Amino acid sequence: DTGVSQNPRHKITKRGQNVTFRCDPISEHNRLYWYRQTLGQGPEFLTYFQNEAQLEKSRLLSDRFSAERPKGSFSTLEIQRTEQGDSAMYLCASSFTGPLVDEQYFGPGTRLTVT
Amino acid sequence: EDQVTQSPEALRLQEGESSSLNCSYTVSGLRGLFWYRQDPGKGPEFLFTLYSAGEEKEKERLKATLTKKESFLHITAPKPEDSATYLCAVRTGNQFYFGTGTSLTVIP
Repeated sequence: DTGVSQNPRHKITKRGQNVTFRCDPISEHNRLYWYRQTLGQGPEFLTYFQNEAQLEKSRLLSDRFSAERPKGSFSTLEIQRTEQGDSAMYLCASSFTGPLVDEQYFGPGTRLTVT
Repeated sequence: EDQVTQSPEALRLQEGESSSLNCSYTVSGLRGLFWYRQDPGKGPEFLFTLYSAGEEKEKERLKATLTKKESFLHITAPKPEDSATYLCAVRTGNQFYFGTGTSLTVIP
């Protein structure tokens, strides 16, 4: 399977703990996006990378959230000092640069539950 | 403020009963409008990108159209396997804003 993969698929953590999620994009894609989705809502944009450069961050992304994409390959999203309001599905997507730049391919998501 | 609104929130159709989903938007500097399909527990699946008013795209039973203020996703003769949540999103700059989706149920 050459689609976008995310790990872990599910994560349960206690309030105040740190968590890290991983996203492996489609290999030839150089753009990578992170979104958060809560039940009954559409995905909410968090941040965007082109290669290893983080080019855009949502104003909603608090300083407890940090994302990296070393070497322009996989990406990690870390949440420090988790809060119950962080419970959500975290989605990663990737795309090409070029004519198909806006065709984002999403992974299956990581469901975070903060207790 | 950039905003995307989808209607209706939920739609139940009999198999073969055609209908349309609406996505209205207010954004500064639209750089594209997108339609996705999302099945429960899965990530969204890309359907269409539209860039300019008057543009139309088709795929099987789906047809997307775009005006300066809204987009429609027309579903012709739907089948039960078309049941899903349909999401609309807009791009402004390098940010993407999604609507809350229309949950479509097609009854055999």
